[in-house]
Amino acid sequence: GNSVTQMEGPVTLSEEAFLTINCTYTATGYPSLFWYVQYPGEGLQLLLKATKADDKGSNKGFEATYRKETTSFHLEKGSVQVSDSAVYFCALSDPGAQKLVFGQGTRLTINP
Amino acid sequence: DAGVIQSPRHEVTEMGQEVTLRCKPISGHNSLFWYRQTMMRGLELLIYFNNNVPIDDSGMPEDRFSAKMPNASFSTLKIQPSEPRDSAVYFCASSPLKASSYEQYFGPGTRLTVT
Repeated sequence: GNSVTQMEGPVTLSEEAFLTINCTYTATGYPSLFWYVQYPGEGLQLLLKATKADDKGSNKGFEATYRKETTSFHLEKGSVQVSDSAVYFCALSDPGAQKLVFGQGTRLTINP
Repeated sequence: DAGVIQSPRHEVTEMGQEVTLRCKPISGHNSLFWYRQTMMRGLELLIYFNNNVPIDDSGMPEDRFSAKMPNASFSTLKIQPSEPRDSAVYFCASSPLKASSYEQYFGPGTRLTVT
């Protein structure tokens, strides 16, 4: 079945550091890929998405590229801020299927 | 624009009581999802509806859980009787029925504590 694997957290970085959170997936066909972010006490918010191979999703300084050859969708940001502290979820949906399959989440803490 | 609205935000109840969680999806969205989030199990899909019709309820843990969507702007998730292991954050999400992608928009959640 479809699955998403994220790097285990927690991840702790200093402000202005470079961020990478790894995400790999297993799926049939050509899924759409998503990154969601959950701030403390809130629901998940869509951060970015990509719907086909080599697409790059970007938002708020975050980027992720849909790599079909490595079945990956790693999240990156060049310079993190304290306000980026949150839990990040990678997810996929199969074409024609509405259910999202989520990774286990990666907790990110940014220290000033 | 209003996002997904959930009520109550917090619920504390005693074991054996009935609990009803409520959700109002984003206007114009045809699909609605109920999730449960715990530290141990992460984010679990319980059930989802398309055009008010339940499509997949395979994630509903047991018969104590039931969900309804009487119209396009309202859904409930009911637990009867509640048990301490039902303590979790319950999220509702909605999505437009589009073929290109299926991003979902989440509400703020209901934190349920069963004592």
